[in-house]
Amino acid sequence: DTEVTQTPKHLVMGMTNKKSLKCEQHMGHRAMYWYKQKAKKPPELMFVYSYEKLSINESVPSRFSPECPNSSLLNLHLHALQPEDSALYLCASSQVASGSFYEQYFGPGTRLTVT
Amino acid sequence: GENVEQHPSTLSVQEGDSAVIKCTYSDSASNYFPWYKQELGKGPQLIIDIRSNVGEKKDQRIAVTLNKTAKHFSLHITETQPEDSAVYFCAVPSSTGFQKLVFGTGTRLLVSP
Repeated sequence: DTEVTQTPKHLVMGMTNKKSLKCEQHMGHRAMYWYKQKAKKPPELMFVYSYEKLSINESVPSRFSPECPNSSLLNLHLHALQPEDSALYLCASSQVASGSFYEQYFGPGTRLTVT
Repeated sequence: GENVEQHPSTLSVQEGDSAVIKCTYSDSASNYFPWYKQELGKGPQLIIDIRSNVGEKKDQRIAVTLNKTAKHFSLHITETQPEDSAVYFCAVPSSTGFQKLVFGTGTRLLVSP
């Protein structure tokens, strides 16, 4: 099973709201990722967690706050977003080992609209 | 950092024809080359990948070829079907980041019945 699940599927929020995106995988993967994808563009990496520790932050604004409570779950907390943050937010997971690159499996995404 | 170019940006074929999408990359140390298919409203789906110790890999109607000398790899789809219509992305590991993929700009494939 190579399934990554994400909730909610769609989210509309105002610029003063606080919301969270959730991601879950049960493949035993120890690396989890958040990507942002704008329309007609490729996914752009935001954060990488490895063994529940943040290993990459691609200079993402602090209004996006990731959290990895355990090896199966990944959250993205949203606060004071701007309309330009509207996008498809994708979660992915993979195995991880030093010196090797492993396949990344993506979830279906959360379509976020900021009004 | 890694630079990935993908061509063409759009590709229209008739059902049953073959389709070829090409990506070039800049870092000669790259050793993993995946292809993703993204249908409308869905996340990217890994459809095939290749590592640098082989030159070609096939999975039914899909194949990927790798030319490490020229630093390019290609996705080949034979006997295309309407359900192959989607956006296809190549990707290459970044030389600057752990487990970081750098994606190509995408190819919109349209297969007409």
